[in-house]
Formats: sequence, C-alpha cells, structure tokens
Amino acid sequence: GENVEQHPSTLSVQEGDSAVIKCTYSDSASNYFPWYKQELGKGPQLIIDIRSNVGEKKDQRIAVTLNKTAKHFSLHITETQPEDSAVYFCAASRYGANAGKSTFGDGTTLTVKP
Amino acid sequence: NAGVMQNPRHLVRRRGQEARLRCSPMKGHSHVYWYRQLPEEGLKFMVYLQKENIIDESGMPKERFSAEFPKEGPSILRIQQVVRGDSAAYFCASSPPRGGGSNYGYTFGSGTRLTVV
Repeated sequence: GENVEQHPSTLSVQEGDSAVIKCTYSDSASNYFPWYKQELGKGPQLIIDIRSNVGEKKDQRIAVTLNKTAKHFSLHITETQPEDSAVYFCAASRYGANAGKSTFGDGTTLTVKP
Repeated sequence: NAGVMQNPRHLVRRRGQEARLRCSPMKGHSHVYWYRQLPEEGLKFMVYLQKENIIDESGMPKERFSAEFPKEGPSILRIQQVVRGDSAAYFCASSPPRGGGSNYGYTFGSGTRLTVV
C-alpha cells in the first residue's frame, strides 16, 4: 500500500519568513496530493491540492510543488503570520473511478513566532 | 450548506462499554471515511464507505470495530467492549463522487474525542 513520509515533524520560523514542508510517497499510482491544516481541537481543513498532471500550484501565500519522478511534493508558505501556526498534513491518493482512501503523513507542527 | 457533522464531540466510556460515533456527510457527498488520531500523532485510515457498502476496511481492527453507512441516516462507527487503548480522536471525512471533474479533497468533521476510563 501507499506510504507517505513527511519532514520535518516540527518547524519554527519568525513571522515574515518562509516555511517549507516536504513529503515523499511510495505508490506511483497516486495522482492527487492534498494538504491539510489542523488547528488545536479542530478537524483538518483542506488548504491546497495538486494533481499529478501539474508541477506547481499557487494560492496567495501558499504554493505546492510536485516532482512525479522523485515521488516528492512540498508545501511552501511565504510571509508567514502567527495565524499560520498549526499542524500541517500532506496526503496522497487517487482520483477517478478507482479512487480510494488518502494516506496521510505524520504531520508537521509549524510555529510562527511574532 | 452544513459541513460534516459529527456527534458527540466528546464521549466518555468505561472499559467494556460500547461507543457509537455518528457522522453525517456534507450534502451531495456520497463517500465517507473514518480516521483515528492518537495524541501527537497523524491520521490513521480506518474505513471507507459509500451508501450501504464498505469499500475498504483495511485499517479497521479485526475485532470490536465495525462501521456502516445506511441508505438513510448517518454513518456509524461502533466500538464494542472499549479498552483504554481506544482513547483517541475519531474523525469522519466526506467527499463527492470521485469521477472526473470533482474536488477530491476531504471535508472533515470536528471529530469525536473518545476517552475510556
């Protein structure tokens, strides 16, 4: 089955700096890669996603890159703000008729210091 | 349009009792997933259901755990004879049908925090 590894497990940055979280996956059939943000006491919330036919996607201060050959994808947050502090999860899955479950990384706790 | 509704938010059970966790997916979503999250850990897949069908239960423990998503009503995750190790947050997520053109990301509920005493 799919295995997703996520690094680092904790990340601390100064407000205004950039943060990068990296994930690798094992199943070459995976073609959909979402990222979720989980705040304390809440459920994860989808913040951005990318499909395997795209190399990069950006939404304001958040961007995701995908390297299919290396089976590697990353989340980039620029101009970080204290409200970006949360746990971030990457995931890998398939879309389409044979879609199944998403496999999650173990999470990265991001702390943005004011 | 209400999101994914889970109840109860908090559930305390004594060892040996049964726990029933409920999840109503978003309107228009026909796929339901249950995940377990232990403190300071990630989300571990348990089961994937569509209406009246279990599609993938590869993450479910072999004993004491069961799930259903009936034609009418919410999805239920049932844990029989709970033990201390079952204490965790249980999240339900839903997604639309996964043919072409849809958003495939999950919408998560707020979770049920089960404590076994």
